[in-house]
Amino acid sequence: EADIYQTPRYLVIGTGKKITLECSQTMGHDKMYWYQQDPGMELHLIHYSYGVNSTEKGDLSSESTVSRIRTEHFPLTLESARPSHTSQYLCASSSGPTASSYTFGSGTRLTVV
Amino acid sequence: QKEVEQDPGPLSVPEGAIVSLNCTYSNSAFQYFMWYRQYSRKGPELLMYTYSSGNKEDGRFTAQVDKSSKYISLFIRDSQPSDSATYLCAMSKYNAGNMLTFGGGTRLMVKP
Repeated sequence: EADIYQTPRYLVIGTGKKITLECSQTMGHDKMYWYQQDPGMELHLIHYSYGVNSTEKGDLSSESTVSRIRTEHFPLTLESARPSHTSQYLCASSSGPTASSYTFGSGTRLTVV
Repeated sequence: QKEVEQDPGPLSVPEGAIVSLNCTYSNSAFQYFMWYRQYSRKGPELLMYTYSSGNKEDGRFTAQVDKSSKYISLFIRDSQPSDSATYLCAMSKYNAGNMLTFGGGTRLMVKP
């Protein structure tokens, strides 16, 4: 079944640790995105990619980095986690010129203690 | 000022009621309008996708766009407890690489 997968679903980690949030999609979408969502707040775009080896920063400044070495895979890395990074991180993908195919993963809820 | 405004609620209605959810926006460049439903601890799922002004119906859901007023609505008929979720409006501009701008979401509770 075509879908978008995020792991882990929940992560509690200590300050200063390096973490990587995984995102993979099986739909062959060329575009992928990372959003940050705090409880009760809107989604903010932090990174996006239009294809392999293409990555850009989104509207919301983030200390995280991303890579796009394979079409289906778009991991997000935090080199040194801080409590201010505590949030929900949502990965999405799409294809074509419009947003009608936009699909979100279930998210990773990150808590940095 | 935010580009997209949405009342956060919560909105509580009895089962079977008609629900009206709304967003206003300030940028006339938005051409594509979407409604997403997000259950707790889940990612948003697309409910309705519309282009330009007018109505679009899908089952119990009707999306309405009024570009002259910069106002979009989602109506839910015969609401069910399973409709209880946060509803997010989102918009994008023409040829903008699928960049979405989201409202803050409205939390809906449908009571049996």
